[in-house]
Amino acid sequence: DAGVTQSPTHLIKTRGQQVTLRCSPISGHKSVSWYQQVLGQGPQFIFQYYEKEERGRGNFPDRFSARQFPNYSSELNVNALLLGDSALYLCASSRGVYNSPLHFGNGTRLTVT
Amino acid sequence: DQQVKQNSPSLSVQEGRISILNCDYTNSMFDYFLWYKKYPAEGPTFLISISSIKDKNEDGRFTVFLNKSAKHLSLHIVPSQPGDSAVYFCAASRAGGDTGTASKLTFGTGTRLQVTL
Repeated sequence: DAGVTQSPTHLIKTRGQQVTLRCSPISGHKSVSWYQQVLGQGPQFIFQYYEKEERGRGNFPDRFSARQFPNYSSELNVNALLLGDSALYLCASSRGVYNSPLHFGNGTRLTVT
Repeated sequence: DQQVKQNSPSLSVQEGRISILNCDYTNSMFDYFLWYKKYPAEGPTFLISISSIKDKNEDGRFTVFLNKSAKHLSLHIVPSQPGDSAVYFCAASRAGGDTGTASKLTFGTGTRLQVTL
C-alpha cells in the first residue's frame, strides 16, 4: 500500500510570495494533519482535518490555511511568506479513530529567501 | 512551554547492547504516547505507542514503558542494530473521544541515537 505522499519535495520561494503544498493520505485514512519542523526541533502541529472539516489548529498565524477534499487529500497554503517559514512541512494521515497513530509523509522542504 | 522533553540530545550505544531513550512530559491530560524514528530526508516513522491505561507495550525489539506518576516514558531497543541509528522523537496527545484532539501530537526535540559496531 502506498504511504502518505507529499508534493513537491522541495520548494524555493521569495519573501512575500504564496505557496501551496499537497498531500495524499494512506488509502482508507480520513484524517490529515499538517506539521512544521524547523531544524533541531520536533514537528509542530499546524492543522488537522477530519472528514473535510477542520478539527484542530495550532498556534500559527492566519497566513496559514488548509483544506481537505472529498477524496481526503489536502492542501496547505501559506501566504505572505516570511524567512521564518523556511522549514520541513510534514503531512500525516490516520484512520481518525481513538488512539490511531499518525503516519507521516516525507515532507516538503520549503526555503524562503 | 515545552510540554514534552527529551533531555538527551544524543546517545551512542554499541551494537547488540540495549538502547534506552527517555522522555518526560508535564501535561497530565496527555493519555496517548508514541515514539517515532526519523532518518534524514524522510518523514517520521511510527514505531510504537502506549495508552495511559497500560504501563508497558512491546513490539519485537522495541518496548515502551510508561510511568504516569513520574510523567516519564522510555523506549528500550534490544538488541540495538546499526540500522537503528536515527533521531527518535517522543510524542504525546490527548486521545479522548474527539478525533480532533487525537491527531494533535506534541513532540519532544528528539534524541539522536548512534549504534556503533
